[in-house]
Amino acid sequence: GQNIDQPTEMTATEGAIVQINCTYQTSGFNGLFWYQQHAGEAPTFLSYNVLDGLEEKGRFSSFLSRSKGYSYLLLKELQMKDSASYLCAVRDGDYKLSFGAGTTVTVRA
Amino acid sequence: NAGVTQTPKFRVLKTGQSMTLLCAQDMNHEYMYWYRQDPGMGLRLIHYSVGEGTTAKGEVPDGYNVSRLNKREFSLRLESAAPSQTSVYFCASSDGEHYEQYFGPGTRLTVT
Repeated sequence: GQNIDQPTEMTATEGAIVQINCTYQTSGFNGLFWYQQHAGEAPTFLSYNVLDGLEEKGRFSSFLSRSKGYSYLLLKELQMKDSASYLCAVRDGDYKLSFGAGTTVTVRA
Repeated sequence: NAGVTQTPKFRVLKTGQSMTLLCAQDMNHEYMYWYRQDPGMGLRLIHYSVGEGTTAKGEVPDGYNVSRLNKREFSLRLESAAPSQTSVYFCASSDGEHYEQYFGPGTRLTVT
């Protein structure tokens, strides 16, 4: 089976930086995705890593270490609209994604 | 370009009733998926399809049937609803190159 772990909740102040960690143990690995999900809405794609290293996309960056089974999503210059759940998902050998339970980030003024 | 659409948005069923959830995508994607999302458990894959006329079981398939009607449409049917099927159901689709999944707005189902 797949085992994907991420913290349940995190709180940070507007303008600060937050790092959401994700560790995984899966039967196969063909990439790791991060999604953002606002309350009551659908998940939306944020980033994709398949090789080790850092991918930067504006205020959001995602890092992957395949040997350690580890990824993180870095949110910089936090804004109130970044309050949401962040989902880590691993693509195994075929087309399917296995999702972690999600990390709820609350941004305080 | 609507992306992924789902109907209905909300539904309340009594135990034992049946219903069909419909999903359609206009992105010409080969792969389509049905998930359920419950508090504290994340998204769990129910069934998926890798092309027209194909379906396969996911992580939690019991109590659900699916049909890939054509390339655009993928339906999920509950033959005899149970309270344990109270959940939010999401449909998603992806292509065969990037595998990034695009999600519909969800269906909130309550079974009493």
